[in-house]
Amino acid sequence: GDQVEQSPSALSLHEGTGSALRCNFTTTMRAVQWFQQNSRGSLINLFYLASGTKENGRLKSTFNSKESYSTLHIRDAQLEDSGTYFCAAHSGGSNYKLTFGKGTLLTVTP
Amino acid sequence: AQTIHQWPVAEIKAVGSPLSLGCTIKGKSSPNLYWYWQATGGTLQQLFYSITVGQVESVVQLNLSASRPKDDQFILSTEKLLLSHSGFYLCAWSPPKGWDTEVFFGKGTRLTVV
Repeated sequence: GDQVEQSPSALSLHEGTGSALRCNFTTTMRAVQWFQQNSRGSLINLFYLASGTKENGRLKSTFNSKESYSTLHIRDAQLEDSGTYFCAAHSGGSNYKLTFGKGTLLTVTP
Repeated sequence: AQTIHQWPVAEIKAVGSPLSLGCTIKGKSSPNLYWYWQATGGTLQQLFYSITVGQVESVVQLNLSASRPKDDQFILSTEKLLLSHSGFYLCAWSPPKGWDTEVFFGKGTRLTVV
């Protein structure tokens, strides 16, 4: 099965509101990254966490390796936040593998 | 600052034709390098990684090959394209400090096989 289970698959927000995305991991992960993929396909690095919580503007992310999950909170959503958000986890080991979730398509509407 | 450049930006190729995609990383010595593939509307799947010149490891077999001829260059290729090769190819790099450091992506190459 998938090692990285991301939810929801799609999310619609009105401007100014907020919500959370979540990734559950079926194996122990050493670190997690969150990306935003824009309409051109570019992946923008949002967060890298080996543990704990980080905040950047209207975004906040948490990684709990013991309970095998990570979250991305978006507050005060803006139109430019629209796009696909991916979490990706480093499983460690010598295979240098970064495993992606299936993504969350976020649509922010006026 | 590190920069990653992928070429070409987009390609339309015929089934059975050869393919070569390239990636160059500047500003970082001996980076770990990766190739990822994304089907339209899908997630990203790691194809190859390389931790040093001349050494490439395959993660998923998709009738593609990769090479690292220089420290800052990573090439993805095949002699015969399949329809299933269509998609978005992204090159990525991470610092040479282990296997779980932050990964950074290039802008990608969009490949359409017809």
